[in-house]
Amino acid sequence: ETGVTQTPRHLVMGMTNKKSLKCEQHLGHNAMYWYKQSAKKPLELMFVYSLEERVENNSVPSRFSPECPNSSHLFLHLHTLQPEDSALYLCASSQEGGGDYSYEQYFGPGTRLTVT
Amino acid sequence: QKEVEQNSGPLSVPEGAIASLNCTYSDRVSQSFFWYRQYSGKSPELIMSIYSNGDKEDGRFTAQLNKASQYVSLLIRDSQPSDSATYLCAVNTGKLIFGQGTTLQVKP
Repeated sequence: ETGVTQTPRHLVMGMTNKKSLKCEQHLGHNAMYWYKQSAKKPLELMFVYSLEERVENNSVPSRFSPECPNSSHLFLHLHTLQPEDSALYLCASSQEGGGDYSYEQYFGPGTRLTVT
Repeated sequence: QKEVEQNSGPLSVPEGAIASLNCTYSDRVSQSFFWYRQYSGKSPELIMSIYSNGDKEDGRFTAQLNKASQYVSLLIRDSQPSDSATYLCAVNTGKLIFGQGTTLQVKP
């Protein structure tokens, strides 16, 4: 257990559905991240929230909508996805702002998403 | 040129041998470097962080950093079948950039 939890662990959704992924960190960190991991590809950074403000949006399609209500919780809202969006979605957290352990990111277990 | 490059492998070593995993990066201002281990179907797990040139040892793992040559490596001594996984190199350039990973197979 890394102190980062994600729900659900598996999700199958149709292209017209709306669903949300949830992430919670219990590490007292001040930054949270969403990554996408597709087969045979490097981890792709999607969104970064630092101190609850979005600081990075890596040209992610608008059908993915993040929400960070506080420093411990992060959501990824999904709507009208495409089959190519099927992947492992990973949440991570870190403590930003100096010190020897800055930028060490700890990952949750991920949500395996299948879009049919 | 990719920002972080790793040989995808698979790298196959016999049990008890030393496994050597390498990573090169392109951004000279990178200050922190990480190795993650990812078992099939699981999420990445942080196993080593290194911030300054030289070696850093933690149990059977040694991370080596050479900023002048822009490479970072991970040595696994006394490799075990349980070490079989994909190893991801990550470099902090202001955000964390991951390599595609090297698959390690340790054969009994």
